[in-house]
This record gives sequence, C-alpha cells and structure tokens, in this order.
Amino acid sequence: DQQVKQNSPSLSVQEGRISILNCDYTNSMFDYFLWYKKYPAEGPTFLISISSIKDKNEDGRFTVFLNKSAKHLSLHIVPSQPGDSAVYFCAASTTGTASKLTFGTGTRLQVTL
Amino acid sequence: DVKVTQSSRYLVKRTGEKVFLECVQDMDHENMFWYRQDPGLGLRLIYFSYDVKMKEKGDIPEGYSVSREKKERFSLILESASTNQTSMYLCASSLMTGGRYEQYFGPGTRLTVT
Repeated sequence: DQQVKQNSPSLSVQEGRISILNCDYTNSMFDYFLWYKKYPAEGPTFLISISSIKDKNEDGRFTVFLNKSAKHLSLHIVPSQPGDSAVYFCAASTTGTASKLTFGTGTRLQVTL
Repeated sequence: DVKVTQSSRYLVKRTGEKVFLECVQDMDHENMFWYRQDPGLGLRLIYFSYDVKMKEKGDIPEGYSVSREKKERFSLILESASTNQTSMYLCASSLMTGGRYEQYFGPGTRLTVT
C-alpha cells in the first residue's frame, strides 16, 4: 500500500516558468514532510521540509505548501532553471519513528530552454 | 558537511554469491538506513538501525541482512544474491533528536546480479 504518492511520473517546464510538483499521502499520522532532489548516479539530496504545524515553507526559489485536510503537499520552483532537471521525491515521517521516512515514487522534472 | 560514503559505485555479482555493501558516515549520526531504488517504485526501505548492534526491518527485508558493529558503519548483506536484487542501493544517515528528520544519502551502489 503506497502511503505517499506522486501521481505524475514526469513534468516538462520551460526555463523561467513555475514548476509545480505534487504529492499525496494517506497516513494521517505523518507530521513532517520533505522534498529530495536526485540527479542520475548520485544519492538524493535534501531540498526543503515542512512540519504539519505550518502550511507553507519557503527557501529561495523553492516553496512547499501543505494542505492537511486534503493530505496534499506541493513543491513550487520559481523560476525554473535547467539545473533543476532531476527526479524529485517527496517523503513523510511520523514523530517518534527514529526519523524513518516513507518516500513517494518520484517525479522527473525536465526544464527546457 | 555530512559525508556518507559507500564502498562501491558499481558492482557485478553472480547469482548465489554473498554480497557485502558497506556504508560509512562521518557525522556521528545515530540512525542509518539502507534503501533500494527501482524505476517506478521510488525508494524502499530495506533495514534501518538507530544504534550500534540495533536493527529493525523496513518494508522489504526479505533476502537481506545488516550489521552495525560501529556507530559510523552500516553494512548490507545479500546472503545469496538473486537477479531480482539487481538495483540501486542507497545508504543514508540522520540524527536521532532535535526534531529534524533529514536523511543524508551516499552516492549509491549500482548492483547487477547475473
């Protein structure tokens, strides 16, 4: 049973435009959410996170939005750059589980010139 | 910067061989994790450890075992490799406390079992 879902396997966006990556979850016990970015042949790198007590967190070009009632989070990248082309994974965790993360299946973002 | 290293970037093994994947982290993190990444399936947790000599099964532990004799080192063992264990294996570490759940990943080991 996939508790964290990324329903779009791929997304193509023009350079300079906004990229919106979506993630849904089913476990209401999740209270901390993260986004990771992964380039080919490298390990995932942490991008941004949000606690369930917030509905928005911003870091430069990256903003994560959390809608707890809909069990939905999204990552906005503005403006998108060619270097943002990568696979993005969302992940979720529950307090007290030794920082164990449940990952989604990933969305491949391609930023075109 | 946190550094997580994995012993090999690429590995080719034969069916039935015993395979050891080593992971070392240099940030004194309590937690360490082993994942495998497969297309369309994302990252799936195999095993994790929250202390030396402690281990817990993840979502897909079958066919794998782990060892953590020292805090900085976490090994994944494939007792008898099979072709369906061909995958990208990723090791990660994280802090136990502080309300932070970020995991730091190594570069991965691409294992091919023939």
